[in-house]
Amino acid sequence: TQLLEQSPQFLSIQEGENLTVYCNSSSVFSSLQWYRQEPGEGPVLLVTVVTGGEVKKLKRLTFQFGDARKDSSLHITAAQPGDTGLYLCAGLNYGGSQGNLIFGKGTKLSVKP
Amino acid sequence: NAGVTQTPKFQVLKTGQSMTLQCAQDMNHEYMSWYRQDPGMGLRLIHYSVGAGITDQGEVPNGYNVSRSTTEDFPLRLLSAAPSQTSVYFCASSPPGQGGYTFGSGTRLTVV
Repeated sequence: TQLLEQSPQFLSIQEGENLTVYCNSSSVFSSLQWYRQEPGEGPVLLVTVVTGGEVKKLKRLTFQFGDARKDSSLHITAAQPGDTGLYLCAGLNYGGSQGNLIFGKGTKLSVKP
Repeated sequence: NAGVTQTPKFQVLKTGQSMTLQCAQDMNHEYMSWYRQDPGMGLRLIHYSVGAGITDQGEVPNGYNVSRSTTEDFPLRLLSAAPSQTSVYFCASSPPGQGGYTFGSGTRLTVV
């Protein structure tokens, strides 16, 4: 069973600070997806990265897919209380079924005003 | 568009009872999946389907059955509920390609 390791598990910061969340594996993925989940709700897709070395920006969020397609990072600039939530990375195994999307355990982010 | 609709939102079962968690999507997505989410364990894949009539097991399939008779519906059946199946269950769907999944709002199940 392939694993996606996310770090850190918990992160508590002040408004305005920057942060980076990491998603690592020993497996190669055809794509990696990042989701954000709020309490009582299902995860919501933020971005999908497909090409090794790819960088995508979504306002203050920057996503990067490693050159070897085994890892990814999420960087948030000038965090705001509205960024609070559980951030999940998920990967599709290279050569495997698109239905077999595997999730990391998540990073719980708290941004204090 | 309603997206992915899960029912019920909450359910309490007694050990040994059976039930079906319903999931429907109105986006004509080919791929559908069931996950369970437990504290500290993240989202774990139970079963998934790549199209009507096709299902496959995920990481934690034991104690659960699925079928996919239509594109829209993907019910999850608990055959004989156990306390270990207490969890929050999420259904999700996706079109072909790398577009990512749309999740329902979940079913919180407690087995006593």
